[in-house]
Amino acid sequence: DQQVKQNSPSLSVQEGRISILNCDYTNSMFDYFLWYKKYPAEGPTFLISISSIKDKNEDGRFTVFLNKSAKHLSLHIVPSQPGDSAVYFCAASAQNRDDKIIFGKGTRLHILP
Amino acid sequence: GAVVSQHPSWVICKSGTSVKIECRSLDFQATTMFWYRQFPKQSLMLMATSNEGSKATYEQGVEKDKFLINHASLTLSTLTVTSAHPEDSSFYICSASGAGATGELFFGEGSRLTVL
Repeated sequence: DQQVKQNSPSLSVQEGRISILNCDYTNSMFDYFLWYKKYPAEGPTFLISISSIKDKNEDGRFTVFLNKSAKHLSLHIVPSQPGDSAVYFCAASAQNRDDKIIFGKGTRLHILP
Repeated sequence: GAVVSQHPSWVICKSGTSVKIECRSLDFQATTMFWYRQFPKQSLMLMATSNEGSKATYEQGVEKDKFLINHASLTLSTLTVTSAHPEDSSFYICSASGAGATGELFFGEGSRLTVL
């Protein structure tokens, strides 16, 4: 049973527009959420995170929104750039239980010229 | 979807002993496997990248003689923590990608190591 779900395997967005990647989770014990970005043939790199005590965290062009009641988070990238084309992984953990990170299956983002 | 399995899912060992963690791709051939360490309240730290049949590439600051990685086949990579110390206690997670992958990556369930 997937605890972290990324229901869109791929997404195409025009350069300059906003990219929105979605993630849903089922475990109410999760209190820390992360997004990772992965280019082909490379390992994933950490992008941005959010604690459950917040509902928004912003870092430059990247903003993560957390809706705890809906058990949903999203990553917004604006404006989208060609270098943003990659696979994005949503991840979650129950830090208060020192628990492991659980990953979603990823969403491939294509930025169109 | 593709499945990556780690074994054991948790292990407790005495200080000074060595522990081996296996990472298997169950239904695809993994040409590249990544090993990570998770620190409390922090994101994953990439330890090394291993390609089947060649030596692993370690990230800066990771002791290759302490964390031995072997990727002898297209479905199995192992991480051996040698002469374990309590500070090595952590979650160790592997991920794998197949041949010709354009970003697809599949994560194992993680292995929790506790060194007494």
